[in-house]
Amino acid sequence: GAGVSQSPSNKVTEKGKDVELRCDPISGHTALYWYRQSLGQGLEFLIYFQGNSAPDKSGLPSDRFSAERTGGSVSTLTIQRTQQEDSAVYLCASSSYYGTEQFFGPGTRLTVL
Amino acid sequence: AQSVSQHNHHVILSEAASLELGCNYSYGGTVNLFWYVQYPGQHLQLLLKYFSGDPLVKGIKGFEAEFIKSKFSFNLRKPSVQWSDTAEYFCAVISSSNTGKLIFGQGTTLQVKP
Repeated sequence: GAGVSQSPSNKVTEKGKDVELRCDPISGHTALYWYRQSLGQGLEFLIYFQGNSAPDKSGLPSDRFSAERTGGSVSTLTIQRTQQEDSAVYLCASSSYYGTEQFFGPGTRLTVL
Repeated sequence: AQSVSQHNHHVILSEAASLELGCNYSYGGTVNLFWYVQYPGQHLQLLLKYFSGDPLVKGIKGFEAEFIKSKFSFNLRKPSVQWSDTAEYFCAVISSSNTGKLIFGQGTTLQVKP
């Protein structure tokens, strides 16, 4: 009975490089969310996928951020040309349907040098 | 814009003391309310939730919360804290217009002294 998994657990990159963060939601969960947790901003919503509907991208901070969800399961969050202010813990969560309890993964700690 | 406000940023208690963490939200429509906890080195876990019905909800580990609609509040309580309750606590809300995304409060760090 696996929970939400994320990889890598830690990522250190240089400013200007692209990074990809992966999320495996709980099997059968149709809703998937990305959040960011940082000291200055707390927990912020980034993007939400629900089934085959168009994603809600309203929380993405800039066009350097994008995400996709393939086959209604695994999701990848991509940050292009990383900046130091992108350093944070990126959390993925899934739920059986939108509006219900969200289960969180352990997060990916991103450090941009 | 919708927001969630947690009144206490850092709370220090001795074991067996009673706990109340305040949470207020700004949204006039239907809301689903949550308290999540993050123990040191662990990921976010659900403590309790309110969707409808009895406004007094009970969660895991002896925690409870009361939804008071007229005050837009969802305060977390525990009658007697333990050292193992040391953690960061987040109040969060999903409004019917937000299609499921959680809006979190700033978090409250609870330190329980043995």
